[in-house]
Amino acid sequence: QAVVTQEPSLTVSPGGTVTLTCGSNTGAVTAGHYPYWFQQKPGQAPTSLIYDATSKHSWTPARFSGSLLGGKAALTLSGAQPEDEADYYCLLTWPGVRIFGAGTKVTVL
Amino acid sequence: EVQLVESGGGLVQPGGSLRLSCGAFGLTLSDHWMNWFRQAPGKGLEWVGNTSPDGSQRYYADSVKGRFTISRDNAKNSLLLQMNSLRAEDTAIYYCGQVAYWGQGARVTVSS
Repeated sequence: QAVVTQEPSLTVSPGGTVTLTCGSNTGAVTAGHYPYWFQQKPGQAPTSLIYDATSKHSWTPARFSGSLLGGKAALTLSGAQPEDEADYYCLLTWPGVRIFGAGTKVTVL
Repeated sequence: EVQLVESGGGLVQPGGSLRLSCGAFGLTLSDHWMNWFRQAPGKGLEWVGNTSPDGSQRYYADSVKGRFTISRDNAKNSLLLQMNSLRAEDTAIYYCGQVAYWGQGARVTVSS
């Protein structure tokens, strides 16, 4: 079974920029994996931020963007706010199975 | 506004069964692939399984295959998760979701 990899933790300064990545041990992540990015704050259900690698929902703050970069999916946070401190998970899809990464804990400090 | 509401969680003994339901408001479930996800205490997210809009296709994570069954009642606009042969490691908050939209979750505790 595939393994989806994410950085365990990242720190960003308020107003700064940070990029989270999402890779796979099976090879390059492509649009065909329909990458999703979720934000989860303590005690809350996850919220979808990005779908199909680059598309935003109506509720996604403009400072979040998704891309495919160097064989991985990437989530970039530009202009970090204190309320962006959270866990971030990516989700990739293969035929008949979906797999989450272990998550990245983002600290805004 | 889309709202998904899970129900049916609770405490069950190892080897027991439980059925979760997910009702939807503002979203017609029969238009979408629908999923169940879960999150064990202090752990990350795990995809449990999903079903096609008409219910004819269902896929499951290896960890629940043969024990869990996803079904839907499109007439009631609801999604079901039948969980059998429950184990301690199935203890988690269970979420239904269209992927973009998630419910608030139902807590399932498997313990004697």
